[in-house]
Amino acid sequence: AAGVIQSPRHLIKEKRETATLKCYPIPRHDTVYWYQQGPGQDPQFLISFYEKMQSDKGSIPDRFSAQQFSDYHSELNMSSLELGDSALYFCASSPAGTSGRGGYEQYFGPGTRLTVT
Amino acid sequence: ELKVEQNPLFLSMQEGKNYTIYCNYSTTSDRLYWYRQDPGKSLESLFVLLSNGAVKQEGRLMASLDTKARLSTLHITAAVHDLSATYFCAVDRGNTDKLIFGTGTRLQVFP
Repeated sequence: AAGVIQSPRHLIKEKRETATLKCYPIPRHDTVYWYQQGPGQDPQFLISFYEKMQSDKGSIPDRFSAQQFSDYHSELNMSSLELGDSALYFCASSPAGTSGRGGYEQYFGPGTRLTVT
Repeated sequence: ELKVEQNPLFLSMQEGKNYTIYCNYSTTSDRLYWYRQDPGKSLESLFVLLSNGAVKQEGRLMASLDTKARLSTLHITAAVHDLSATYFCAVDRGNTDKLIFGTGTRLQVFP
């Protein structure tokens, strides 16, 4: 079965550079979530989109922005990178539930490991 | 603010033994999830518990949910080395759907 695709899988950037992470949800999933997981930490919610509109926002720095496109893929843009941004970034997708705000189960992609030097 | 706590944080157990991981959460939630994560890897969905009293089993793992006590348990039966991983529970508040993760339990099974 098709899974969530993330690219790139690994990314090395220097401080103050920018990075763009991409996420391709499972076909027919219209809700996308982004999470950040620091070393030894639990995943922290950043932002989510439903039907190309932002549906929720967590502890996402102002330096980060994201959007969902007409084909439902999503991109997380990160600017002025800091050492503390080094982490695993996961994208997850889910189908719309009866509420239209997202389904019950989120399926996670393989993650992008971002290293800021 | 919804908080999710797991205990223990670390668990080292011998093969063949049984143990339970506990997940407590602070506010009402009807949906609880268990995930497994191997080092540097993605989160693999293990169980989705949607109602009070729900119990699900897969192999040597069994999960249950008590929404009144705001408690979920993940029981490991006759542990084997392949179960070594970090286990996260997570809840959502229904109306927003974002997942709030517990602190994780790092499980190591030794011979």
